[in-house]
Amino acid sequence: SQQGEEDPQALSIQEGENATMNCSYKTSINNLQWYRQNSGRGLVHLILIRSNEREKHSGRLRVTLDTSKKSSSLLITASRAADTASYFCATTTSGNTPLVFGKGTRLSVIA
Amino acid sequence: NAGVTQTPKFQVLKTGQSMTLQCAQDMNHNSMYWYRQDPGMGLRLIYYSASEGTTDKGEVPNGYNVSRLNKREFSLRLESAAPSQTSVYFCASEPFVGSYNEQFFGPGTRLTVL
Repeated sequence: SQQGEEDPQALSIQEGENATMNCSYKTSINNLQWYRQNSGRGLVHLILIRSNEREKHSGRLRVTLDTSKKSSSLLITASRAADTASYFCATTTSGNTPLVFGKGTRLSVIA
Repeated sequence: NAGVTQTPKFQVLKTGQSMTLQCAQDMNHNSMYWYRQDPGMGLRLIYYSASEGTTDKGEVPNGYNVSRLNKREFSLRLESAAPSQTSVYFCASEPFVGSYNEQFFGPGTRLTVL
């Protein structure tokens, strides 16, 4: 069963606005990753945050992790039409277990 | 440096037919994975291979078999296809299972079973 659950399922915003997606998970994690999937393509890794980290930045992306609430958020600032995609969180629960993916958030950025 | 490649890109089968999906990576990764993606379901792990010579079941292994042919190649076989196996199949690889590394994905195989 899926470990991560993204919220919202779908999000539609105007170009230039910020987009925030959330991921909640059930059990303790080793690390949490975010991936992007453009329509009809494979997933592309965006960012990884370890369980002992609280925040990471990469370009226009900001990821936070709150292990006490078992949740993470992905913020995309100053969104562009090219950010239109599905975004998935994925977690590992220990050092030798495979990633488990959530169901994703579909982001539409309208020009 | 092609990354992860999958063949074929598209396939239509009739119920009961068999086929093998091929996956290869050129990044010298130890671990390889097969996922299926259905609308609204995200990615679900079918099988994975932590290293050459080993394979393990994932969340949805029924109806599938896998072979880790060598370090580069990991194939997925459907022995008797069913309409419930209509899906998009993705192969992925990473240096080691559960490592602090990203997974690299292939472009996917879109399979329709009639």
